[in-house]
Amino acid sequence: DAGVTQSPTHLIKTRGQHVTLRCSPISGHKSVSWYQQVLGQGPQFIFQYYEKEERGRGNFPDRFSARQFPNYSSELNVNALLLGDSALYLCASRKDRGNTEAFFGQGTRLTVV
Amino acid sequence: EDQVTQSPEALRLQEGESSSLNCSYTVSGLRGLFWYRQDPGKGPEFLFTLYSAGEEKEKERLKATLTKKESFLHITAPKPEDSATYLCAVNRDDKIIFGKGTRLHILP
Repeated sequence: DAGVTQSPTHLIKTRGQHVTLRCSPISGHKSVSWYQQVLGQGPQFIFQYYEKEERGRGNFPDRFSARQFPNYSSELNVNALLLGDSALYLCASRKDRGNTEAFFGQGTRLTVV
Repeated sequence: EDQVTQSPEALRLQEGESSSLNCSYTVSGLRGLFWYRQDPGKGPEFLFTLYSAGEEKEKERLKATLTKKESFLHITAPKPEDSATYLCAVNRDDKIIFGKGTRLHILP
């Protein structure tokens, strides 16, 4: 079975640009969450989507947005990129909400110059 | 405030030298505690879920235990391939709160 797939794997953007990151969850999983991980820190929660609706939002500015599609795949969008947005962006797939394990993709390494 | 604290930040062991990693947490409404392994530049790899105090889970050279305030990841006779960052996380409603991790280096 395919695991969580994220694209692209690496990305370099310029300050002020916009970026879209993509995630396909494990087949049969309905919940997708996004996390940001900067070097030396644990992942920080950005969003959770379940059944195409936003179910949770972390402490990130409105420049960050996301959506989930009918096939449960998801996109994370970041507008007006800042140097501080450089990080590893992780997508997590869960079978349902709440009390289930989360499986992560390999991440997208975003570098803002 | 929900918080997860891991110690030590880094640990160097000789191959075969057993040790434990600590994870202390303060969270209301805990719905599970997770352990992950993360290799450099990769996503976290799921290891264990623990739900209640006294619960233990094992996988190869790793054993995770849980109390009401802490979890431990015990590593028995580690090998160089066990070198990685080990992340502890608590499941809080719709989000997972991670600690900063313990960087483990096993010397051959």
